[in-house]
Amino acid sequence: QSVLTQPPSASGTPGQRVTISCSGSSSNIGSNTVNWYQQLPGTAPKLLIYSNNQRPSGVPDRFSGSKSGTSASLAISGLQSEDEADYYCAAWDDSLNGRVFGTGTKVTVL
Amino acid sequence: QVQLVQSGAEVKKPGASVKVSCKASGYTFTSYGISWVRQAPGQGLEWMGWISAYNGNTNYAQKLQGRVTMTTDTSTSTAYMELRSLRSDDTAVYYCARVGPVDYWGQGTLVTVSS
Repeated sequence: QSVLTQPPSASGTPGQRVTISCSGSSSNIGSNTVNWYQQLPGTAPKLLIYSNNQRPSGVPDRFSGSKSGTSASLAISGLQSEDEADYYCAAWDDSLNGRVFGTGTKVTVL
Repeated sequence: QVQLVQSGAEVKKPGASVKVSCKASGYTFTSYGISWVRQAPGQGLEWMGWISAYNGNTNYAQKLQGRVTMTTDTSTSTAYMELRSLRSDDTAVYYCARVGPVDYWGQGTLVTVSS
């Protein structure tokens, strides 16, 4: 079962800004860094953001991450059709002594 | 470049075991751990556990304790995940991933458990 809560869906028109939230607790987001992943249909998850707000090389700067307290957010600015995918947050959980993932958010480009 | 290449799809009967391999290249294998994550059809991601490729230390998800074993072969830079006493709800795509600030994922291995 997922410990981190995300909205099931989000949408926007091309060029708009979309934000996805990820709500956790003091044992996970509150005390550890957050990663964000993009998963296109039928493919493996791809790392978008690590350590709360860092982008791996090759990830467009349209993607940005932030964290405050026990919540984190992923923002996609200048939404493009190829951004249509599932997005997951993840963090280590000290109580469970394991990694936990968010429930996932499906982004639709209208 | 870093690559993780997993073994092919498997079909197993309930009660059987499956062993999935994950061959790493493009980096020093023993410098990073390998985690395993699975995804049931239409569902989210579930962390299964982690193994240090340096010393073989493991940390398994509580719900899989006793059924899962993760190992590595440093001579071939390959990690393995064995899951025993398979049930229908173990049907999923299984991913390996190199652990680190920046992680890299394998392409996934579909394991189908069906009588």
